[in-house]
Amino acid sequence: SQKIEQNSEALNIQEGKTATLTCNYTNYSPAYLQWYRQDPGRGPVFLLLIRENEKEKRKERLKVTFDTTLKQSLFHITASQPADSATYLCALPRNQAGTALIFGKGTTLSVSS
Amino acid sequence: KAGVTQTPRYLIKTRGQQVTLSCSPISGHRSVSWYQQTPGQGLQFLFEYFSETQRNKGNFPGRFSGRQFSNSRSEMNVSTLELGDSALYLCASSFAGRGQETQYFGPGTRLLVL
Repeated sequence: SQKIEQNSEALNIQEGKTATLTCNYTNYSPAYLQWYRQDPGRGPVFLLLIRENEKEKRKERLKVTFDTTLKQSLFHITASQPADSATYLCALPRNQAGTALIFGKGTTLSVSS
Repeated sequence: KAGVTQTPRYLIKTRGQQVTLSCSPISGHRSVSWYQQTPGQGLQFLFEYFSETQRNKGNFPGRFSGRQFSNSRSEMNVSTLELGDSALYLCASSFAGRGQETQYFGPGTRLLVL
């Protein structure tokens, strides 16, 4: 069955550094992959979507890569700030139709000043 | 535009009871999905509705059910509650229910089963 793994449960970095989060998946060839941010007590917030034919996507300080050969996505936050502290989730479509997603368990990022 | 709203925000029930949770999507959105989030299992897909029809269903027992109304509002019901049903229940809406659309999540309903 489809499986998503986010390698680190927690990541601690200093302000100004680049945070890199990893998402690996198996038994699957998704058409796209999404990244979400979730703050405590809140629902996830969509950040970026990258399609299978895109190698890299950027939005402000965020960058996502998608390697369909390695079955891996990397999520980078450059010049990180304490306000970036949150749990980051990667998600893949559950099937070809509809919006149902399979989520990784998330990586909790802590940025210290 | 108002975001996705979920009611109630918090709920305490006892084993064996049933519960109904409500989700109002963003105005104009026709697709609503439901997820269960627990510390151990993370976010797990429950079901997806589009134009009042269930389009996808996750791997949950039949005690979990849902429906969508003509105004796109959705409800989910859990009957015969078990301790393991304690979780944050999240709904998400999107405009046309296409896979690559942005989904907008509500704040969730936190259910505690005693």
